[in-house]
Amino acid sequence: DAGVIQSPRHEVTEMGQEVTLRCKPISGHDYLFWYRQTMMRGLELLIYFNNNVPIDDSGMPEDRFSAKMPNASFSTLKIQPSEPRDSAVYFCASSYIATDTQYFGPGTRLTVL
Amino acid sequence: KQEVTQIPAALSVPEGENLVLNCSFTDSAIYNLQWFRQDPGKGLTSLLLIQSSQREQTSGRLNASLDKSSGRSTLYIAASQPGDSATYLCAVNDNYGQNFVFGPGTRLSVLP
Repeated sequence: DAGVIQSPRHEVTEMGQEVTLRCKPISGHDYLFWYRQTMMRGLELLIYFNNNVPIDDSGMPEDRFSAKMPNASFSTLKIQPSEPRDSAVYFCASSYIATDTQYFGPGTRLTVL
Repeated sequence: KQEVTQIPAALSVPEGENLVLNCSFTDSAIYNLQWFRQDPGKGLTSLLLIQSSQREQTSGRLNASLDKSSGRSTLYIAASQPGDSATYLCAVNDNYGQNFVFGPGTRLSVLP
């Protein structure tokens, strides 16, 4: 398997624009996680899915953030409108079960000007 | 609310030294604990996973221990190499396996 795939790897956008981050989990993994990493706050769990259903979105910072998982092989994290404070590295991870080892993607580095 | 801390924040050692990284968590009701490695500009790679019922796990030169009652875990790296240079993070799952909290990491530099 190619591992968890994320795109784009880098995104630079201007404040107010819509940003969509994409993730393809490892085939067969039932859980998908979205994380955000910043110098100030470290690695934070934003939301996770089980069998395409959102289980816990309590980490989503505000209504500007939304995540979907239309099928087992694809998920998106959308920010609309984006703000400079959203600048961070966003990671997607997947696992067989919630308590198993998580496999991380390479991340998307987002810069909002 | 679970909080995870790691000491030290950064560590620099000469090649060949044995070293210990520390992780502390405030709520001992955990399901498991994982140690990850992160290289600059990369994602996280899982190193070891310890279930709450286990005391330690070993993989090659790495050994992780868990003392759930005191809220502590250590990662022991034997005979360190320059290739071990990275940031090491620990993460705990709560007792239901539904909440994942990461520590801030320890940045390790192994000097040749």
